[in-house]
Amino acid sequence: GAGVSQTPSNKVTEKGKYVELRCDPISGHTALYWYRQSLGQGPEFLIYFQGTGAADDSGLPNDRFFAVRPEGSVSTLKIQRTERGDSAVYLCASSRGQGPPLHFGNGTRLTVT
Amino acid sequence: DQQVKQNSPSLSVQEGRISILNCDYTNSMFDYFLWYKKYPAEGPTFLISISSIKDKNEDGRFTVFLNKSAKHLSLHIVPSQPGDSAVYFCAARGGSYNTDKLIFGTGTRLQVFP
Repeated sequence: GAGVSQTPSNKVTEKGKYVELRCDPISGHTALYWYRQSLGQGPEFLIYFQGTGAADDSGLPNDRFFAVRPEGSVSTLKIQRTERGDSAVYLCASSRGQGPPLHFGNGTRLTVT
Repeated sequence: DQQVKQNSPSLSVQEGRISILNCDYTNSMFDYFLWYKKYPAEGPTFLISISSIKDKNEDGRFTVFLNKSAKHLSLHIVPSQPGDSAVYFCAARGGSYNTDKLIFGTGTRLQVFP
């Protein structure tokens, strides 16, 4: 049974570079969420989609962060001009679209050097 | 502004005894609460939830209690098992109009020893 799949599992990039993180939700799940988790902290909300549209993007920290979900399935989180403070585990989750629970992937660990 | 707080970063319990994990929240607009469990290098896994219209929900060894007047919830695990050793996150839905986002606490690391 396919859960939420995130690729890559690890990403190391240099400060100032552009990165894309991919999320494949559970089949049939209409809602998709992005979170990030820093060491010793809980997951921090970034954005969530209902279908193709962003239903709530209030957690995106600044305009360097952008996410898309063009066909209502796979989503890509894009980070421009990466900074060392962006280093974290980026978690993706999906749900049936009627609210919680959210089902999480194993995350992408992003390290900005 | 931490709207969901888990004030105990760690808890150590003997196998077979009860584990009680606590969570406090500040936003009265939260309408649904969840507990997640997380092992290293894995994503959080949903454990149990409770609606704000209830005060208790039970699922096997896990029970969640909600005290709305105190803005407090707790997770009871009984009996505790070594496999329960993980980080537990409390989460709350909403906090503002018409959103399904979850706000998480900072987690409590539970260690169950033999």
